[in-house]
Amino acid sequence: DQQVKQNSPSLSVQEGRISILNCDYTNSMFDYFLWYKKYPAEGPTFLISISSIKDKNEDGRFTVFLNKSAKHLSLHIVPSQPGDSAVYFCAASRRNTNAGKSTFGDGTTLTVKP
Amino acid sequence: NAGVTQTPKFQVLKTGQSMTLQCAQDMNHEYMSWYRQDPGMGLRLIHYSVGAGITDQGEVPNGYNVSRSTTEDFPLRLLSAAPSQTSVYFCASSSDMDRSYEQYFGPGTRLTVT
Repeated sequence: DQQVKQNSPSLSVQEGRISILNCDYTNSMFDYFLWYKKYPAEGPTFLISISSIKDKNEDGRFTVFLNKSAKHLSLHIVPSQPGDSAVYFCAASRRNTNAGKSTFGDGTTLTVKP
Repeated sequence: NAGVTQTPKFQVLKTGQSMTLQCAQDMNHEYMSWYRQDPGMGLRLIHYSVGAGITDQGEVPNGYNVSRSTTEDFPLRLLSAAPSQTSVYFCASSSDMDRSYEQYFGPGTRLTVT
């Protein structure tokens, strides 16, 4: 049973438009959520995170929204740039038992066209 | 800071061979983890460590051993390689002192077992 799901394997948007990447989770014990970005032949790098006590967190062009009742989060990128083309992973964690580990979704490949 | 380093970058093994994937971090992080990423899938946790001398199993531990004799190093040993272990392996480190709870990933080791 996959506890973190990213149902869209790929997304293509035009440069300057908004990119919306979605993520669903099933385990209500998760209380911290992170987004990572991964370029080919590199390790994932942290992008933005959100605690379950919040419903929104913003960092520049990136905003993460959390809907706890729906067990759903989304990452908005505005405006999208060609350099944003990468695989985006949603990850979930339980802070009290964090121990440096997270459960990851399968990723969404974002392509931003110039 | 070099961050998280992994060696080798690429490795080809024959079925039944053993080898050790090396991982080191210079950030004095207490937590370290090993993940594997198969094509089209997210990262799955193999083993993790909360400090020197303490390790535990993740989601997919079979066929792998770990040990953590120092804070810096967390090697992953494949006991008898199988084609099902063909994957990209990522090592990560993190710290409770980092309020974002992000993990820092190495560049990965691409392993092929024939």
